[in-house]
Amino acid sequence: DTAVSQTPKYLVTQMGNDKSIKCEQNLGHDTMYWYKQDSKKFLKIMFSYNNKELIINETVPNRFSPKSPDKAHLNLHINSLELGDSAVYFCASSPVGLTASEKLFFGSGTQLSVL
Amino acid sequence: GQQLNQSPQSMFIQEGEDVSMNCTSSSIFNTWLWYKQDPGEGPVLLIALYKAGELTSNGRLTAQFGITRKDSFLNISASIPSDVGIYFCAGRSNSGGYQKVTFGTGTKLQVIP
Repeated sequence: DTAVSQTPKYLVTQMGNDKSIKCEQNLGHDTMYWYKQDSKKFLKIMFSYNNKELIINETVPNRFSPKSPDKAHLNLHINSLELGDSAVYFCASSPVGLTASEKLFFGSGTQLSVL
Repeated sequence: GQQLNQSPQSMFIQEGEDVSMNCTSSSIFNTWLWYKQDPGEGPVLLIALYKAGELTSNGRLTAQFGITRKDSFLNISASIPSDVGIYFCAGRSNSGGYQKVTFGTGTKLQVIP
């Protein structure tokens, strides 16, 4: 029943490793996002996809590569993990349309800890 | 880039008290939003404001879209323990033909029973 689900909930890994976070939404939305929330709780958009097409890429290092196999899924792959990548990563989705795109539905987050 | 500053950064209040928090921006937004984040969860939309000067309520919550379109405030009346969480303002703007939502720095609210 979960609208936006992301896995895993927690991810602990060593520096230099490659890891992926998966996200799926069952709301029928066309647009999906990845946000990063740092230790000070600041939420910053990383990527946005509309119907599998990348529409927003906010100066994120190219070690981060989003992949959208279909409009219900947006996965995030991170290469060569660094200590500064430790954060909570939120997936979100929204309906399309000028008056609807602010209605972001968030997943419950993936807490990534890089040791 | 766009920055949204919220104040206060955190606050402790007694149950039953009213709360006020605000958000200012260096840029104009065409929509202002208020979200709440509970611990271990993602933010949830509380109120959306679409017009400068607009005042909108959602139960005990009231928010206003500033006339300059660069600020907004959120009031919570008669606070209860479940109001605890982080409140984010957010602004929506056009980014390359698509809408982008930028979040504020957050106000952490603690309610003392």
